[in-house]
Amino acid sequence: GAGVSQSPSNKVTEKGKDVELRCDPISGHTALYWYRQSLGQGLEFLIYFQGNSAPDKSGLPSDRFSAERTGGSVSTLTIQRTQQEDSAVYLCASSLAGASYNEQFFGPGTRLTVL
Amino acid sequence: AQSVTQPDIHITVSEGASLELRCNYSYGATPYLFWYVQSPGQGLQLLLKYFSGDTLVQGIKGFEAEFKRSQSSFNLRKPSVHWSDAAEYFCAVVDGGSQGNLIFGKGTKLSVKP
Repeated sequence: GAGVSQSPSNKVTEKGKDVELRCDPISGHTALYWYRQSLGQGLEFLIYFQGNSAPDKSGLPSDRFSAERTGGSVSTLTIQRTQQEDSAVYLCASSLAGASYNEQFFGPGTRLTVL
Repeated sequence: AQSVTQPDIHITVSEGASLELRCNYSYGATPYLFWYVQSPGQGLQLLLKYFSGDTLVQGIKGFEAEFKRSQSSFNLRKPSVHWSDAAEYFCAVVDGGSQGNLIFGKGTKLSVKP
């Protein structure tokens, strides 16, 4: 079956613009995670969804970052008023359910460049 | 706070040689530990995981890892490296109290010499 897909694969934007990043999880996976991979900070957790709810948003770096999930499936990560420090690869992962022992399957990521 | 340390940023080994990538964690209870591999332009692929029980765990692609509580380590090993193993390797621990959120090490980039 299909894995986790993300779009776009690359996004170049100008400072101050808003961007939307999309994640399509594996069908049937109720848990969805967003991570950010940057040169300086490595891989960092951003937000966790169980179904359409986000019980853990603790990793979102500022209020410019938001995310939603609809239909228990597709998720969108939105960054408003982008800054150069937002440049990173944004990775999405899904798992059968939100539990420590469930394997997370990762998408290929969206590389965001803010000029 | 929990953390994962991968002391080696970059390692180069010859093809056919053995490999050991180091990982140290900081966590009070029994950790849930993972090793992931990331090839250029790809997402992360799970190599193996440790939750409990046998401290030597086998993974895909001929990798294994040993959990040593006394040393707070979870080192990844492979007896004979292939050129296709060149990639970046990440050790991770589940953030305690979370619903599976992963805390990653900074990664070790593996280069393989012919």
